[in-house]
Amino acid sequence: AQSVAQPEDQVNVAEGNPLTVKCTYSVSGNPYLFWYVQYPNRGLQFLLKYITGDNLVKGSYGFEAEFNKSQTSFHLKKPSALVGDSALYFCAVRAGGNTGFQKLVFGTGTRLLVSP
Amino acid sequence: SAVISQKPSRDICQRGTSLTIQCQVDSQVTMMFWYRQQPGQSLTLIATANQGSEATYESGFVIDKFPISRPNLTFSTLTVSNMSPEDSSIYLCSVQYHRDRGRETQYFGPGTRLLVL
Repeated sequence: AQSVAQPEDQVNVAEGNPLTVKCTYSVSGNPYLFWYVQYPNRGLQFLLKYITGDNLVKGSYGFEAEFNKSQTSFHLKKPSALVGDSALYFCAVRAGGNTGFQKLVFGTGTRLLVSP
Repeated sequence: SAVISQKPSRDICQRGTSLTIQCQVDSQVTMMFWYRQQPGQSLTLIATANQGSEATYESGFVIDKFPISRPNLTFSTLTVSNMSPEDSSIYLCSVQYHRDRGRETQYFGPGTRLLVL
């Protein structure tokens, strides 16, 4: 069965500093990995995904994530944080492949707080 | 990306009543999903709603409590029946397109915030 771990409930960073939100996963076979962001009183917005190919994927709002197969990680990063990045971030994983439906499994979420 | 709308955006309901949440998508999709996000929690899949077939429920969720309709490829409803305060959550509709580009991605609606008194 798939699982996702986000070890940090909250990450605090000062504006302008780089940020990292951690995610590790467990899945049978090749993983499809996703990051979503949830702003207060909003739904989930898709940020980026890794399906195959280059291990470094770039997404919306200047975010990027690096797929590391040996460490089974998919950490979310941004070189320079903005106050507006403050939100709840979810990592999710699905088993790859085209045969049948594979459920998307979410981590518990990490709250990012960017201070001015 | 998808344009997904939900109605109502929020509601306050009395114990024992039922609420039907609507989800409308801007284009046809094969798979639609309903999630629950309890306060301070992650997302939990309630059921998968495919057009032309019965919804498939996850463990812990039953059709009598959460009946789902999927009358066409752009619309679905979720009913929360005989509500109790424990049903207070955000309910999210999600879709996945089955086309070559972006088919692996699920997109989410803005959510319906439900408070049961």
